[in-house]
Amino acid sequence: DAGVIQSPRHEVTEMGQEVTLRCKPISGHNSLFWYRQTMMRGLELLIYFNNNVPIDDSGMPEDRFSAKMPNASFSTLKIQPSEPRDSAVYFCASSHRENQPQHFGDGTRLSIL
Amino acid sequence: AQTVTQSQPEMSVQEAETVTLSCTYDTSESDYYLFWYKQPPSRQMILVIRQEAYKQQNATENRFSVNFQKAAKSFSLKISDSQLGDAAMYFCAYSPSGSARQLTFGSGTQLTVLP
Repeated sequence: DAGVIQSPRHEVTEMGQEVTLRCKPISGHNSLFWYRQTMMRGLELLIYFNNNVPIDDSGMPEDRFSAKMPNASFSTLKIQPSEPRDSAVYFCASSHRENQPQHFGDGTRLSIL
Repeated sequence: AQTVTQSQPEMSVQEAETVTLSCTYDTSESDYYLFWYKQPPSRQMILVIRQEAYKQQNATENRFSVNFQKAAKSFSLKISDSQLGDAAMYFCAYSPSGSARQLTFGSGTQLTVLP
C-alpha cells in the first residue's frame, strides 16, 4: 500500500510569497493531521481533520495559515504571506480508526528566505 | 493539558548492547495510548512500538520493548542488541482515547550507536 504522500519534498521561497503544501492520506484513513517540526518547538500539531471536517485548529499559529480537506484523498496547508519564521519541516499524517496509530508522510522542508 | 518529557537529549550505546530511553508524561485521563517513533536522518517518522494504557502487559516488537508504569506515568523504551541502523532521534508520544487523537510529542532523544 502507498503511504502518506506529501509534496513538495523541499520548498524554498521568498518572504511574502504564498506557499501551498499538499498531502494525500492513505486510502481508507478517515483522520488527517498536520504537524510542524522546528528545533525550537519540536513537533507540534497544527490542525486535524476527521472525515474531511476540521476538528481542532487551535495549533494553527496565525491567520496566515489555513488548511483544507476538500475530499478524503487530499489536503492542503497554505501560508500566505510566508515569513522566515515559518521555516520548518511540515508533516502530514493519517490514521484509520480511533485506536490505530498515525502514519506519517516524508515531510516538506520549507525554507522562507 | 498533556505533557510528555524526555529528559535525555542524547544517548549512546555500543553495537550489540542494550539501551533504555526514558519518557514520562502527565495526564488526568485513565485511557490513552503511548507511542515511540523513530526519526532517522532521512526525517521519516517511523512507528516503533505502541502501548494501550488499559493493557498491563508491556508491548514488545522484536528487539524493542517498553516498560510501562502507569502509576508512575513512565514509558521507557528498551532496545536490545543495538544495531547501527537504530541510530536516530526517538520521540515518545501520547494520544488520548476518544475522538481527539492528536499526538503530543516529547522533545526527543538522539541515539548514537557506536561500532
